[in-house]
Amino acid sequence: GENVEQHPSTLSVQEGDSAVIKCTYSDSASNYFPWYKQELGKRPQLIIDIRSNVGEKKDQRIAVTLNKTAKHFSLHITETQPEDSAVYFCAASKDYGGSQGNLIFGKGTKLSVKP
Amino acid sequence: EAGVTQFPSHSVIEKGQTVTLRCDPISGHDNLYWYRRVMGKEIKFLLHFVKESKQDESGMPNNRFLAERTGGTYSTLKVQPAELEDSGVYFCASSHSPTLETQYFGPGTRLLVL
Repeated sequence: GENVEQHPSTLSVQEGDSAVIKCTYSDSASNYFPWYKQELGKRPQLIIDIRSNVGEKKDQRIAVTLNKTAKHFSLHITETQPEDSAVYFCAASKDYGGSQGNLIFGKGTKLSVKP
Repeated sequence: EAGVTQFPSHSVIEKGQTVTLRCDPISGHDNLYWYRRVMGKEIKFLLHFVKESKQDESGMPNNRFLAERTGGTYSTLKVQPAELEDSGVYFCASSHSPTLETQYFGPGTRLLVL
């Protein structure tokens, strides 16, 4: 089955710096890759997603890149702010087969942005 | 539009007891998922409903876990009897389409088995 590895497990940056979180997946059939942000005590919320027919997607300070050949995808946050501090989860899923739609998550990255 | 809701928010029970968790998905969402996060580990898939039918329950740990979604609306997840390793945060998520679409998560139920 699918396995998603996420690095680093913790990341500390200064306000205004960039942050990069990387994930690799094992199942080449995976074709949907969402990123969730979970603030302390709150629910995971989707911040950006990418489908396998696209190599890069950007939304203001957040961008995601996907390399299907290498089976890895990354989250990039520019001009970080203290409110970006949270745990970020990457995930992978596919749109066919018995497990269609089921999200397979990485272990999470705890991002701390220091003022 | 109301988001996914879960009840209770917290539950502390003793080993051997029974606990039932409830999830109310976003209205109109046919797809409902249960996930679990054990302390320090990844969020893991448990099962997926399409309306009232179990599409995939390959992630259910064992037969102490029973999920239902009668009528295709809210869902319950019962753990009986609970064991120490069942402690964690149980998330419910829902989506309109089963694939390539945002899954909206509930706030989770924090279960502690003593």
